[in-house]
Amino acid sequence: DQQVKQNSPSLSVQEGRISILNCDYTNSMFDYFLWYKKYPAEGPTFLISISSIKDKNEDGRFTVFLNKSAKHLSLHIVPSQPGDSAVYFCAATPLYSGGGADGLTFGKGTHLIIQP
Amino acid sequence: DTGVSQDPRHKITKRGQNVTFRCDPISEHNRLYWYRQTLGQGPEFLTYFQNEAQLEKSRLLSDRFSAERPKGSFSTLEIQRTEQGDSAMYLCASSQDRTDYEQYFGPGTRLTVT
Repeated sequence: DQQVKQNSPSLSVQEGRISILNCDYTNSMFDYFLWYKKYPAEGPTFLISISSIKDKNEDGRFTVFLNKSAKHLSLHIVPSQPGDSAVYFCAATPLYSGGGADGLTFGKGTHLIIQP
Repeated sequence: DTGVSQDPRHKITKRGQNVTFRCDPISEHNRLYWYRQTLGQGPEFLTYFQNEAQLEKSRLLSDRFSAERPKGSFSTLEIQRTEQGDSAMYLCASSQDRTDYEQYFGPGTRLTVT
């Protein structure tokens, strides 16, 4: 049973436009969420996170939005650049454990392709 | 560079052999995690250390899997009697204690069991 779902295996966006990656979760104990970016043959790289006490967090071109009632979060990248082409993973954890004993629970990822 | 390092990057072994992977976390991080990633899936949590104490190991995939972090610095993950289904990428991550929920990953060790 997938507790974190990324329903789009791939997404193609034109350079300069907005990329929106979506993530849904089912476990109501999750209250801290993270996005990671992964290039081939490398480990995941941390991008941005958000706790459930917020509904938005911004860092440069990256913004994460959290809708707790819908158990949905999204990552917006504006403007999209060729170097953003990668697989993006959504991850979640209960805050009380700080991602310790429960680890991070990941979705299957979305492959973002930025077209020139 | 003071990121998480893993060794080896690639390992090919025959079914039934034992393999051991090493992870060196970021030096000031006292939490260390192991994950497994198979094709088309996200990383799957296996085990977690706080310093040298292994605080969660129920998610290790079978009793053929074991991990150690003897001095609270580097860690090893061992798989005994490897099976073809163990072929995967094994990722290590580290984080600071409590103040930092973000985990920082190494490049992984790709295991192929023939």
